[in-house]
Amino acid sequence: DSGVTQTPKHLITATGQRVTLRCSPRSGDLSVYWYQQSLDQGLQFLIQYYNGEERAKGNILERFSAQQFPDLHSELNLSSLELGDSALYFCASSIGTGTDTQYFGPGTRLTVL
Amino acid sequence: GENVEQHPSTLSVQEGDSAVIKCTYSDSASNYFPWYKQELGKRPQLIIDIRSNVGEKKDQRIAVTLNKTAKHFSLHITETQPEDSAVYFCAAIPGYSTLTFGKGTMLLVSP
Repeated sequence: DSGVTQTPKHLITATGQRVTLRCSPRSGDLSVYWYQQSLDQGLQFLIQYYNGEERAKGNILERFSAQQFPDLHSELNLSSLELGDSALYFCASSIGTGTDTQYFGPGTRLTVL
Repeated sequence: GENVEQHPSTLSVQEGDSAVIKCTYSDSASNYFPWYKQELGKRPQLIIDIRSNVGEKKDQRIAVTLNKTAKHFSLHITETQPEDSAVYFCAAIPGYSTLTFGKGTMLLVSP
């Protein structure tokens, strides 16, 4: 157990809908990262938050957004869902930023029908 | 930005053999290189990492080597066991940016 928690574990929804994924980092970690992992794909970095502020952006679609709250948990919002958004979404956390080790949560499996 | 190439994409070995997975990176500013193991449907788990001031690091049956001049690093697993079967990801980070992952290597260890 890495200490990073994610809810829900599974999510099944329809095209066009909106969902929210939640992540709680390890105690003491200030950074939260979101990754998308599709079938046969590696880990695609989406976005990073550090102590409530957006720190870095990767290949995140405009339909996706995220935020980190004062208690440091983070939410990833996915809207206007398409079939291609079906994937595993991982959250990771680290103490700081840069080269600090990232610890991954168990992931949320999103299925868009 | 950083680009990480990982080879091979699939590796099949017999139990007890050694396995080697190789990665190359593009940004000479990269200074941290972690390796993650991901079992089917599970989270990626850090198994070993190396920083640029070290050429080699070992942890029991797992070792990582780094050649900064050639910009490549490798994962070595000795005396492989069936439970080593998983997808392994290498990654690199320049420090000013975020982790860039390779596309992964599926390691299959046959009894």
